Amino acid sequence: NAGVMQNPRHLVRRRGQEARLRCSPMKGHSHVYWYRQLPEEGLKFMVYLQKENIIDESGMPKERFSAEFPKEGPSILRIQQVVRGDSAAYFCASSAGVAETQYFGPGTRLLVL
Amino acid sequence: AQRVTQPEKLLSVFKGAPVELKCNYSYSGSPELFWYVQYSRQRLQLLLRHISRESIKGFTADLNKGETSFHLKKPFAQEEDSAMYYCALSGGGANNLFFGTGTRLTVIP
Repeated sequence: NAGVMQNPRHLVRRRGQEARLRCSPMKGHSHVYWYRQLPEEGLKFMVYLQKENIIDESGMPKERFSAEFPKEGPSILRIQQVVRGDSAAYFCASSAGVAETQYFGPGTRLLVL
Repeated sequence: AQRVTQPEKLLSVFKGAPVELKCNYSYSGSPELFWYVQYSRQRLQLLLRHISRESIKGFTADLNKGETSFHLKKPFAQEEDSAMYYCALSGGGANNLFFGTGTRLTVIP
């Protein structure tokens, strides 16, 4: 079991471009979580998804950010029209069920120039 | 509102000395508390959760509801314990985790 996979590991974008971050959960896991870590801060919850459904997006910024977890394929966190303040590490985690242990991916480090 | 506070950003101890990483929380209901660890060049991984009441790699943590604390302790630190440690909370049936800012532990040989 390869664990939670995230790609790309590093992503550089210019202001105004779009960023797409991918997360493949562990085999058998249908619950996916996205967290963001700004420099010198802890991880902050963004969104919780199950297959084809957004369950909790209380931590998502209201604009420019969206997430999906389609029936087939990885979960995608999409940031439109990136700004410098979006520069951060974005972590994905997956779990087998509700209240089960979350297993984290290696993260994607986004740098906005 | 939920809050997790780790007052020490950096902590250094000598090998063989006891270590305690502090974690205080604020939550109105009954939270579940966790410690996650990130070793150098590795991903974040669960160290222990309070409901399992386990000792992992010699570490223990007791939930003190009166003091709203969940400090992580180990009687004799080892060099391989050097890592970043995050305290986290979930509660109210929610699945998302609230993290503290982390403590970087360095064990000096």
